Amino acid sequence: GQNIDQPTEMTATEGAIVQINCTYQTSGFNGLFWYQQHAGEAPTFLSYNVLDGLEEKGRFSSFLSRSKGYSYLLLKELQMKDSASYLCAVRDSSGGSYIPTFGRGTSLIVHP
Amino acid sequence: EPEVTQTPSHQVTQMGQEVILRCVPISNHLYFYWYRQILGQKVEFLVSFYNNEISEKSEIFDDQFSVERPDGSNFTLKIRSTKLEDSAMYFCASRGLSTGGWSPLHFGNGTRLTVT
Repeated sequence: GQNIDQPTEMTATEGAIVQINCTYQTSGFNGLFWYQQHAGEAPTFLSYNVLDGLEEKGRFSSFLSRSKGYSYLLLKELQMKDSASYLCAVRDSSGGSYIPTFGRGTSLIVHP
Repeated sequence: EPEVTQTPSHQVTQMGQEVILRCVPISNHLYFYWYRQILGQKVEFLVSFYNNEISEKSEIFDDQFSVERPDGSNFTLKIRSTKLEDSAMYFCASRGLSTGGWSPLHFGNGTRLTVT
C-alpha cells in the first residue's frame, strides 16, 4: 500500500503564497490528486498529476516529481475562503487497483 | 453543474440496528464509491462498484456492509448491525469515463452517522 505524508497544519497570511507538500511511497504509481475539503463538507477536486512537472490552474498549481515521490500544491494570492483541509491522494496500480488512497490532509489556516 | 446527492444528511441509530445510506450519483457516471471519514481522521476507501457489481473493497468493508444499485439512479450502502465504531461521515462518490486515462471523483456532501 501507499505511505502518504503531509504536514498536519499550516498557517499563512491573506494575499500570501503557501506551498503544501506531500510525499508518498508506492510500487506502482498511477497518478496523484489534490482535493480541498472545508470543515464538514465533501472533498472537491483541485488537480491531477501523473507526469513530472507543474500543472497550473488559476491561483492553484500542483507539482509532481515521480523519482522523488513528491508533490506540492501551491496556492497564490491567498483568500480567507482558502482556509480548509488539503488532501493528497495517490493511486497505486501495482495490485491492479485504481483506487486513490488519501493522506491525512493538511489543515490550512489563512489569517488577515 | 451536476452533483452527487446523499440522504439523509444526518442519521442517528442505536447499536445493532441496520442503516441504509442513500446516494444519487451524477447521471452519466459509471463508477461509484463509498468512502468514510471518522472525525478528525483521513478519508478511507470502503468499496467501489461498476457494471452492477463490486469491483474493489477494503478490509473495512466486511460482511456487515453491502451495496446495491436498486434502480438506474440510486446507490445504497447498508450496514447490517451497526457498531459504535461505525460512527463517521460516509461519502458517496462517482466518476465518469476516463479521458486520457483518468477522471476525478465527485463526492456528495456526506451522511453523518452517529451510533449510540
